[in-house]
Amino acid sequence: GAGVSQSPSNKVTEKGKDVELRCDPISGHTALYWYRQSLGQGLEFLIYFQGNSAPDKSGLPSDRFSAERTGGSVSTLTIQRTQQEDSAVYLCASRTSGGDNEQFFGPGTRLTVL
Amino acid sequence: ELKVEQNPLFLSMQEGKNYTIYCNYSTTSDRLYWYRQDPGKSLESLFVLLSNGAVKQEGRLMASLDTKARLSTLHITAAVHDLSATYFCAGSTSGTYKYIFGTGTRLKVLA
Repeated sequence: GAGVSQSPSNKVTEKGKDVELRCDPISGHTALYWYRQSLGQGLEFLIYFQGNSAPDKSGLPSDRFSAERTGGSVSTLTIQRTQQEDSAVYLCASRTSGGDNEQFFGPGTRLTVL
Repeated sequence: ELKVEQNPLFLSMQEGKNYTIYCNYSTTSDRLYWYRQDPGKSLESLFVLLSNGAVKQEGRLMASLDTKARLSTLHITAAVHDLSATYFCAGSTSGTYKYIFGTGTRLKVLA
């Protein structure tokens, strides 16, 4: 079946512009995560959605970052007034509830802020 | 709060050699995951370790979990060039939803 998809794969923007990154999780996966990976670094947790529960936004680095998940499926990560330090790869992952809780990752969006 | 440390951060090894990557974590974690990431690619799940003493093997890679020592290892047997990648471990605790990732081990296998 289809895996996690993300769009766009690459995004180049100018400092101060807003960007939207999209994630389509695996069908039926109730949990969805956003991570940020800076060059040569590990994964930094940003936000977590589980079903209709309130999301855990504790990892969002500033109020310029926001995310939503519509209908328990597609999620959008929005970064307002982008800064150069926002340049990174943004990864989305989804998983089912229960079982071994294995996450499945999308291909990521590489964001470059000039 | 759970913290995960991997070592080494960089590993350059000759083909045919054996080596081990270590993943230490700071508090109780009963689930340990290993991922592989190729340059410019996303993370690919390798192993899920759910209990103390769990051992899983796939090809030249073998992962184990010792929850008492708070240690997981990824052992590479007779390395080949195709294994060159960055390997991440991540821990979580059942009943929670956060995954804490190590900083990764960048492996380069020299022909």
